[in-house]
Amino acid sequence: SQTIHQWPATLVQPVGSPLSLECTVEGTSNPNLYWYRQAAGRGLQLLFYSVGIGQISSEVPQNLSASRPQDRQFILSSKKLLLSDSGFYLCAWSEATLYNEQFFGPGTRLTVL
Amino acid sequence: GENVEQHPSTLSVQEGDSAVIKCTYSDSASNYFPWYKQELGKRPQLIIDIRSNVGEKKDQRIAVTLNKTAKHFSLHITETQPEDSAVYFCAVLKRSNYQLIWGAGTKLIIKP
Repeated sequence: SQTIHQWPATLVQPVGSPLSLECTVEGTSNPNLYWYRQAAGRGLQLLFYSVGIGQISSEVPQNLSASRPQDRQFILSSKKLLLSDSGFYLCAWSEATLYNEQFFGPGTRLTVL
Repeated sequence: GENVEQHPSTLSVQEGDSAVIKCTYSDSASNYFPWYKQELGKRPQLIIDIRSNVGEKKDQRIAVTLNKTAKHFSLHITETQPEDSAVYFCAVLKRSNYQLIWGAGTKLIIKP
């Protein structure tokens, strides 16, 4: 069966510090991968998605970036965090098919102080 | 581009009563409509989905109806229970790149 991992689970960072969140998927090949951000009490904002290694599409211009160095690894980064980057970061995967149910990871709760 | 509106943003119902959440979309070519449930502090999980070739799908106390002509679909939860309390998100598949466009979410509160 497929599983998706995210770490860390919780992170507290000062403004201006760098960020690296990691997501890995097991039990599938060539998945579509997604990074979402969810502000407190709000909906899901798609940040990036990837259909293959090295292929990243950005949905929202901001100070974040994403990379996919391996088929089942997706990394979210920032060189300098802003207060507004605080939120719940969710990684998700789906099969590369027409009707793509997305399976979410456990999330990383980021607080920028 | 595709636009998805979800209503209401908050819904409070008495335990045992029914709850209905509605989403409207703009792209008539859309053909896949999932619903996700997110409990407090947890990840969203798919609870039911429907494809455009059917008008209704049911799974125990949960059902989804689709009106393609009017471009709206609804989640129906009957005999609500305390564990139904959560935030519910609808989504629509964007045909141009096969990505999901999400509604803003509905916070469902079940009153004992």
